Amino acid sequence: KNQVEQSPQSLIILEGKNCTLQCNYTVSPFSNLRWYKQDTGRGPVSLTIMTFSENTKSNGRYTATLDADTKQSSLHITASQLSDSASYICVPLLRDQGGKLIFGQGTELSVKP
Amino acid sequence: GAVVSQHPSRVICKSGTSVKIECRSLDFQATTMFWYRQFPKQSLMLMATSNEGSKATYEQGVEKDKFLINHASLTLSTLTVTSAHPEDSSFYICSATDTGTNTEAFFGQGTRLTVV
Repeated sequence: KNQVEQSPQSLIILEGKNCTLQCNYTVSPFSNLRWYKQDTGRGPVSLTIMTFSENTKSNGRYTATLDADTKQSSLHITASQLSDSASYICVPLLRDQGGKLIFGQGTELSVKP
Repeated sequence: GAVVSQHPSRVICKSGTSVKIECRSLDFQATTMFWYRQFPKQSLMLMATSNEGSKATYEQGVEKDKFLINHASLTLSTLTVTSAHPEDSSFYICSATDTGTNTEAFFGQGTRLTVV
């Protein structure tokens, strides 16, 4: 069974600090891996998309890494802001799934002033 | 960037009534759209895959007669919750993939359904 495990489940940090969220997955065959941010009561918003051949990708203060060999990914948030408080979800995409995404539990991040 | 519009954002209905939720891709065509449901503090759960011009594909455990999906055009899919019950109260979200690029999935804003 394909699984996605994210850690930590929840995280509280102070504004301005950095943090790293982890994702371990077992999906195969692998097409790409996405990180989404979901604010409470809103739809997910894409942060990064990486194919299996990419090791790192940045989007502003967000930097995602991918190790396709060990099936691990991370999302690093630099200089956190209060608006970063949200759920962050790692979504590996199976090949030939026609765009169907299977979401894990995500990491609930809370940034405090 | 591509936008997916979902309407309504919130709806309250009485038990036994039906509610229709619309999902539109505003500036791209989407032959496939997806419908998700999310309960508080839980992850998005895929309900069904909506295919333009054909029947939707439902995930295991999702009642197709209760959650009617219609994908009549390349920019519009609708989800109708029929004979709603309080346990159907949830957050419903649609997503669409740009048929032209087929690389990104864009999500609607979500619909908060409360059945009283």
